[in-house]
Amino acid sequence: NAGVTQTPKFQVLKTGQSMTLQCAQDMNHNSMYWYRQDPGMGLRLIYYSASEGTTDKGEVPNGYNVSRLNKREFSLRLESAAPSQTSVYFCASSKVTGELFFGEGSRLTVL
Amino acid sequence: AQSVTQPDIHITVSEGASLELRCNYSYGATPYLFWYVQSPGQGLQLLLKYFSGDTLVQGIKGFEAEFKRSQSSFNLRKPSVHWSDAAEYFCAVGTSSSNTGKLIFGQGTTLQVKP
Repeated sequence: NAGVTQTPKFQVLKTGQSMTLQCAQDMNHNSMYWYRQDPGMGLRLIYYSASEGTTDKGEVPNGYNVSRLNKREFSLRLESAAPSQTSVYFCASSKVTGELFFGEGSRLTVL
Repeated sequence: AQSVTQPDIHITVSEGASLELRCNYSYGATPYLFWYVQSPGQGLQLLLKYFSGDTLVQGIKGFEAEFKRSQSSFNLRKPSVHWSDAAEYFCAVGTSSSNTGKLIFGQGTTLQVKP
């Protein structure tokens, strides 16, 4: 069972470059999420999509955009990367009420 | 504003000893509470959750947690720790009754297990 799949797993960018993190889930979940994890700060919600066709801001949305391409896929885009966006990014999915299922993470370094 | 505090950044216990990880939350309404575990290089996995009802909840891998409204706490316990329990543990509070994936996480507690 694939569950939640994120690509790429590792990425190094220069300041100002753009990139898109891809996420796909095969559990037929309605809701999908993007979190970032930084040392000593736990995980913080960037954006979420409660259902196909909808997206909403989370706690730390600045500098990011998202697209819910279909029920399976939810991408996160950095238009102009900054060193402050160096982090580990996790995609997750869930039924509307229930546990989160996480991908293995994407480690991003911005130089 | 909602918040979650895990007072212990790092805990070391001997294998076979009991474990308690502390979690305090701040939330105005009835909280939805979770404990997740993260092994190195992996995503997070749900250990247990509290939505309502019995304040002592059982989870996977022999873990349990007790919700104490008067103390705003949701501490995680295990009677006998195994070496495979070494990981990082996160407490989280749900911020929406209609979407329990919107979570506020604590800072995490790293558990080291001595042989």
